[in-house]
Amino acid sequence: AQSVTQPDIHITVSEGASLELRCNYSYGATPYLFWYVQSPGQGLQLLLKYFSGDTLVQGIKGFEAEFKRSQSSFNLRKPSVHWSDAAEYFCAVGARGFQKLVFGTGTRLLVSP
Amino acid sequence: NAGVTQTPKFRVLKTGQSMTLLCAQDMNHEYMYWYRQDPGMGLRLIHYSVGEGTTAKGEVPDGYNVSRLKKQNFLLGLESAAPSQTSVYFCASSYALAGGAEQFFGPGTRLTVL
Repeated sequence: AQSVTQPDIHITVSEGASLELRCNYSYGATPYLFWYVQSPGQGLQLLLKYFSGDTLVQGIKGFEAEFKRSQSSFNLRKPSVHWSDAAEYFCAVGARGFQKLVFGTGTRLLVSP
Repeated sequence: NAGVTQTPKFRVLKTGQSMTLLCAQDMNHEYMYWYRQDPGMGLRLIHYSVGEGTTAKGEVPDGYNVSRLKKQNFLLGLESAAPSQTSVYFCASSYALAGGAEQFFGPGTRLTVL
């Protein structure tokens, strides 16, 4: 069965500083990996996804993520955080032909001035 | 395009009351999903549909029923609401199976059961 772990419940980053949100997955075959963002009071929006190919994936809003098979990780990064990035971030794992996605429990990002 | 819309946005129920949440999408997606979101638990799948007239159970289906009579609509029903069903409910749709495709989410329905 697939599972996702986001070890950080909350993270606080100063505006302009770099960001890395951790995601570890468990799945026996090649996973499909996603990062979603949820702004306060909103639904989830896709930031980026990895299906195959280049392990460094670029997404919207200046985010990127790197798939590391040896570490079963798909960490999300941004070089310079803006106050508008304050939100909750969810990592999710799926696979080709799977009818469901499995979501992590989320990491809430706080941005300090 | 409105994307995915949900009705209502907020609702307060008393224990034992019933209600229906409506989800509508205008992207002609085959697949639709209902999730609930609770603090510290992420999103959990309640029910889903892989096409008009079909439904299937997700991770936490007890106490809920669904119907997909039209391709663009997916209804979630609570027959006898319980306080444990206090949650934020999200509907989502996708053009392919969720495991391999982007899901588009609605804005959510915040439900409180007293």
